[in-house]
Amino acid sequence: QVQLVESGGGVVQPGRSLRLSCAASGFTFSSYPMHWVRQAPGKGLEWVGKISYDGSSEYYADSVKGRFTISRDNSKNTMSVQMNSLRTEDTAVYYCARNPNAYSWFDPWGRGTLVTVSS
Amino acid sequence: SYVLTQPPSVSVAPGQTARITCGGNKIGSKSVHWYQQKPGQAPVLVVYDDRDRPSGIPERFSGSNSGNTATLTISRVEAGDEADYYCQVWDSSSDHYVFGTGTKVTVL
Repeated sequence: QVQLVESGGGVVQPGRSLRLSCAASGFTFSSYPMHWVRQAPGKGLEWVGKISYDGSSEYYADSVKGRFTISRDNSKNTMSVQMNSLRTEDTAVYYCARNPNAYSWFDPWGRGTLVTVSS
Repeated sequence: SYVLTQPPSVSVAPGQTARITCGGNKIGSKSVHWYQQKPGQAPVLVVYDDRDRPSGIPERFSGSNSGNTATLTISRVEAGDEADYYCQVWDSSSDHYVFGTGTKVTVL
């Protein structure tokens, strides 16, 4: 079945870096755009960024632009996000999600990985 | 940037109908998608492209979209429908994906 599994979350100090990964299975990973979406504790969903199916294009929310970089390895069915200069407001559960059609909805979602930015 | 506004909460008795609105400027010209999120779980798609349901989603979930308001309707509400619901669109002007503020549905 289609499955997405995130990993790499943890506790990190402000200003430091962290790398999250998303492992995909059950579908042709290289055919789909992929996204990161985050949810701060007790808050709503916030789109973080997108990478095109072939990795040639990336798009970011203004809140993370210049600090986060999304990449993918289609040979390993994985997507990653390198998060630099982390801030306390980046504390959230980070979900990876598939975009079945460009500019559309997210389905499925992974279970998420928690990132806590705290001194 | 494009803003989607939802009521913070909706309360409904079992067996009744819940309607969750999602307001946005000319949202009727966009495709709206809806997600259900239960505590501690990832969001699940319940309606896409305004009114279509993914396989496995009950017919009790339906959607509509016109003018400045999109609506998710849950008919014959069950206790298991208690969750947070989010609308979502793609904003072509910014090439960003936007989520609504979220609505907590409480089954009385």
